[in-house]
Amino acid sequence: DAGVIQSPRHEVTEMGQEVTLRCKPISGHNSLFWYRQTMMRGLELLIYFNNNVPIDDSGMPEDRFSAKMPNASFSTLKIQPSEPRDSAVYFCASSLAGSYPLYTFGSGTRLTVV
Amino acid sequence: KNEVEQSPQNLTAQEGEFITINCSYSVGISALHWLQQHPGGGIVSLFMLSSGKKKHGRLIATINIQEKHSSLHITASHPRDSAVYICAGGATNKLIFGTGTLLAVQP
Repeated sequence: DAGVIQSPRHEVTEMGQEVTLRCKPISGHNSLFWYRQTMMRGLELLIYFNNNVPIDDSGMPEDRFSAKMPNASFSTLKIQPSEPRDSAVYFCASSLAGSYPLYTFGSGTRLTVV
Repeated sequence: KNEVEQSPQNLTAQEGEFITINCSYSVGISALHWLQQHPGGGIVSLFMLSSGKKKHGRLIATINIQEKHSSLHITASHPRDSAVYICAGGATNKLIFGTGTLLAVQP
């Protein structure tokens, strides 16, 4: 398996623009997570899905952020409109209960909003 | 006060040394995770513990549920172990992360 695949690897956008981050989880994994990592706050869980259903989105910072998982092999995290304080590395991870390692992380998307 | 705290924040060791990184948590958790983040940014899940001890190669993780404390040990450290080590406490998939320990192993 190619692992968790995120795209793009890097994104630079202007303030106010819409940004869409994409994630393809490992086939067969039934949970998907979106995390954000910044120097100030470290890693934070934004939202996670079980069997394509959003379970906990309490970490989503505000209404500008939305996430979808239309099927078991694809998820998006959208920021609209983007702001400079959204600049961070966004990680997607997937898991399957009982598997090892439990969580597999993607390589991340480094977002810079100027 | 962070609910998951790690110490030390930074650690420099000589190749071959035995290394210990500590993690204390104040929240109720069902499992404690150790992650490794390489200089390139990739994150690898090392261990998930709910009790006792686990070993994988030169890495050993222990947890004391009563004291809400976990340790990650690296035996015979090597420069390729240089990374940020992050502990995270979790309940039903909702992980709370520590701020990480930056380890540099010098040859």
